[in-house]
Amino acid sequence: DAKTTQPNSMESNEEEPVHLPCNHSTISGTDYIHWYRQLPSQGPEYVIHGLTSNVNNRMASLAIAEDRKSSTLILHRATLRDAAVYYCILRDGSGGGADGLTFGKGTHLIIQP
Amino acid sequence: EPEVTQTPSHQVTQMGQEVILRCVPISNHLYFYWYRQILGQKVEFLVSFYNNEISEKSEIFDDQFSVERPDGSNFTLKIRSTKLEDSAMYFCASRALAGALSYEQYFGPGTRLTVT
Repeated sequence: DAKTTQPNSMESNEEEPVHLPCNHSTISGTDYIHWYRQLPSQGPEYVIHGLTSNVNNRMASLAIAEDRKSSTLILHRATLRDAAVYYCILRDGSGGGADGLTFGKGTHLIIQP
Repeated sequence: EPEVTQTPSHQVTQMGQEVILRCVPISNHLYFYWYRQILGQKVEFLVSFYNNEISEKSEIFDDQFSVERPDGSNFTLKIRSTKLEDSAMYFCASRALAGALSYEQYFGPGTRLTVT
C-alpha cells in the first residue's frame, strides 16, 4: 500500500471544526482513501472513504485534492467523544492489492472542553 | 447495530501455553481478519480469511499462529506456544463481500493477551 503522512498530534476546542490532513503523494489511480479512528481502549472504527470526489457521511466529510496527493478529514463540530487517533490509509480498489489494512501512527486528536 | 464481538476481554497465560482467542464476526460478513496492537505501538495486520482459507498473512503470522472458522459463527486465532512478546491487544475484524476492496472493516473491542 502507498505511504501516507499525517501530523503526530492536533488539538482543537470542543464544538469547533477540525481539519485533519493527510499527504499521500505516491497514491495510484486505483487507491481509495480510507479514514479510521481509534478511541481510547477500543478497536479501530471506520470513519469514511473516497476515491476522487469529496464525500460526506454522518460522522465526517472527506475533502480530496484534485491531484489526489492529499486529503483532509473534516469533523464539522468536534465533541469530547471525537478525541482519538485518526488513521489515513490507502487501499487498492483494483482487487489485486493486499487486503489487510496498514496502519501508521496516525494523528492523535486532542479536544479541549 | 450489528457488531463484532470478542471473548475473552482479557486473557492471562504463561509462556509456552496455548491460547485461543475467539471472535464472532457480523453475521452476513464473509471476510475475516486478525490484527494485533502491542501497547503503545501501531495496529498490525496478522491474517485475512475468506472462503475457509487464509487469503493473506503478514510476516508476523508465523507457524505458531493458526486461524479457524469452526462453525458458521465463530472465528478463532490460536497461538500454539505463547511468548512474552505475544502480549498485545488482539483485534478481530470482518468485512462484507463487495466487488472492490474499498469497503470498510468492522473491528471488535479486542482481547488483551498478557503472557507472563
